[in-house]
Amino acid sequence: SQQGEEDPQALSIQEGENATMNCSYKTSINNLQWYRQNSGRGLVHLILIRSNEREKHSGRLRVTLDTSKKSSSLLITASRAADTASYFCATALGGYQKVTFGTGTKLQVIP
Amino acid sequence: GAVVSQHPSRVICKSGTSVKIECRSLDFQATTMFWYRQFPKQSLMLMATSNEGSKATYEQGVEKDKFLINHASLTLSTLTVTSAHPEDSSFYICSARDRSRGEETQYFGPGTRLLVL
Repeated sequence: SQQGEEDPQALSIQEGENATMNCSYKTSINNLQWYRQNSGRGLVHLILIRSNEREKHSGRLRVTLDTSKKSSSLLITASRAADTASYFCATALGGYQKVTFGTGTKLQVIP
Repeated sequence: GAVVSQHPSRVICKSGTSVKIECRSLDFQATTMFWYRQFPKQSLMLMATSNEGSKATYEQGVEKDKFLINHASLTLSTLTVTSAHPEDSSFYICSARDRSRGEETQYFGPGTRLLVL
């Protein structure tokens, strides 16, 4: 079963708007990562947040982590058409850092 | 950042044949590699975890005799789909991690699209 479930499953916004995606997970984690996948392509690592961190920024990306609620959010500010992709959260646990992916959010940014 | 390559990027094969997919870490030593499978419009499902020089650990429901994984060196892991059938058609993605450097990030390959006719 999926460790992470993402919400919403699909999101369509206008260019320039902010996009927020949420991820919930079930077990304790070492870290949580967000990835982007363009249609039919590989994954691009966006950002990693550790279990002892609450917020992290990278460019137009802002990630929060609430371990008490077992949830994370990814905010993309001032979205661009090039941000159109599927976004996955992934949780890592254990010494080998086995990563389990969420169900993904398909983001469409309309120019 | 670290680069992971996969070869081939696409492969079409006949039912019953075996297909080998390579995953290489180009500029770092991959002490651990992971193999994922992704069906259309679905998320990635972890198939197995392999550590250099040891046997792969397969996830529940993944047949180890059907999906042979070899992690013979610190830069190369291979996944062989044996006696492939149409239901094995999928997007296979590997990732690699250099645990010895204490890095937590996994670097993903571009994926291999397998179509079994």
